[in-house]
Amino acid sequence: DTGVSQNPRHKITKRGQNVTFRCDPISEHNRLYWYRQTLGQGPEFLTYFQNEAQLEKSRLLSDRFSAERPKGSFSTLEIQRTEQGDSAMYLCASSLGGGRGNYGYTFGSGTRLTVV
Amino acid sequence: AQSVTQLDSQVPVFEEAPVELRCNYSSSVSVYLFWYVQYPNQGLQLLLKYLSGSTLVKGINGFEAEFNKSQTSFHLRKPSVHISDTAEYFCAGSGVDAGNMLTFGGGTRLMVKP
Repeated sequence: DTGVSQNPRHKITKRGQNVTFRCDPISEHNRLYWYRQTLGQGPEFLTYFQNEAQLEKSRLLSDRFSAERPKGSFSTLEIQRTEQGDSAMYLCASSLGGGRGNYGYTFGSGTRLTVV
Repeated sequence: AQSVTQLDSQVPVFEEAPVELRCNYSSSVSVYLFWYVQYPNQGLQLLLKYLSGSTLVKGINGFEAEFNKSQTSFHLRKPSVHISDTAEYFCAGSGVDAGNMLTFGGGTRLMVKP
């Protein structure tokens, strides 16, 4: 168990470019979450997967944001046509979830995006 | 809808002094509560969690929190802080809803001074 891994750690991109981030969860975890954290704020929920199914995506910030988890293992978060307001830390987390249980997530170290 | 409020954005304290970081939540359904710590440029680490049962929850690094349903609070305490406790602390909650999405408070920066 090597924890939740996110790549890259830092990404600087020009406004209008597309970016993609990767998250590798803990292998036995069936749930994977994406959160965004802006400076001085708590993380805000974006979307989550249970296995390969994306069960909640209404919180994605706009239609420029999309996420996939094609085989129920790693996940990618893509932002198209980036804007300066997209600059933030993007956090991935995984958990073993189901039913009424919520035993807390394991977070990755995040990908810090800077749009210039 | 559930919300989580952290009443203090910054808490300065001297080393070896006790500290309390305040958190209030609002919810009309069963609730799970968590405290996370975040060190600079890192992800969030779970300190402790309340799921059910005893209202006094003990976590890592000597932290504990008390769930108070009547006051809708979940304050974090440590009897004696160390310089290494300097970090951002986040209170979070989730209901029994789809996916157990976490709602975070705005965070409290704990600054431990020598």
